[in-house]
Amino acid sequence: NAGVTQTPKFQVLKTGQSMTLQCAQDMNHEYMSWYRQDPGMGLRLIHYSVGAGITDQGEVPNGYNVSRSTTEDFPLRLLSAAPSQTSVYFCASTGTPNQPQHFGDGTRLSIL
Amino acid sequence: EDKVVQSPLSLVVHEGDTVTLNCSYEVTNFRSLLWYKQEKKAPTFLFMLTSSGIEKKSGRLSSILDKKELFSILNITATQTGDSAIYLCAVLRGDATNKLIFGTGTLLAVQP
Repeated sequence: NAGVTQTPKFQVLKTGQSMTLQCAQDMNHEYMSWYRQDPGMGLRLIHYSVGAGITDQGEVPNGYNVSRSTTEDFPLRLLSAAPSQTSVYFCASTGTPNQPQHFGDGTRLSIL
Repeated sequence: EDKVVQSPLSLVVHEGDTVTLNCSYEVTNFRSLLWYKQEKKAPTFLFMLTSSGIEKKSGRLSSILDKKELFSILNITATQTGDSAIYLCAVLRGDATNKLIFGTGTLLAVQP
């Protein structure tokens, strides 16, 4: 059972470039979320989804887009990368609100 | 504004010591409080606490929630070097969003 899989593990971008961080889960979980983790700030919610076709903004959504066309996949798109988006990005999923979220291993993103 | 505060921010102990990590919160529509351990990669789930006064235990780790005073503690007895990690506290909102609100974490270093 692979759990939550994130790709790539590392990425370096130039300011203004766009890219997509991939997240896939094989547990048939309805709830999926994207977080970013910065030193001294904990994990902050970017976007989340409560099921296929349904997404909403979290705490820090600016500069990011998401879509949820299938239950399994929840990609995060950076539209025009900025140095302030340098961070570690985690995807998480859970089957119901009464169950803990399971996290992927993260994507370390550097914007130059 | 929802807030989760952890203390101390960092802690250095010696093997065999007992440590207590603190988490206080101000969150509207509280559902549960979760503790995660984060080593090099993904946060891994430790405990989910929903009711006051019921201690949860797993080996040398235990945790309890006080919903009246709005805090939780995580205890680790007979610490080992493998306990070195960031310990994250998060509160799950009780609405349909399943949002997790994280504290900044406590960095624990256990020296031999």
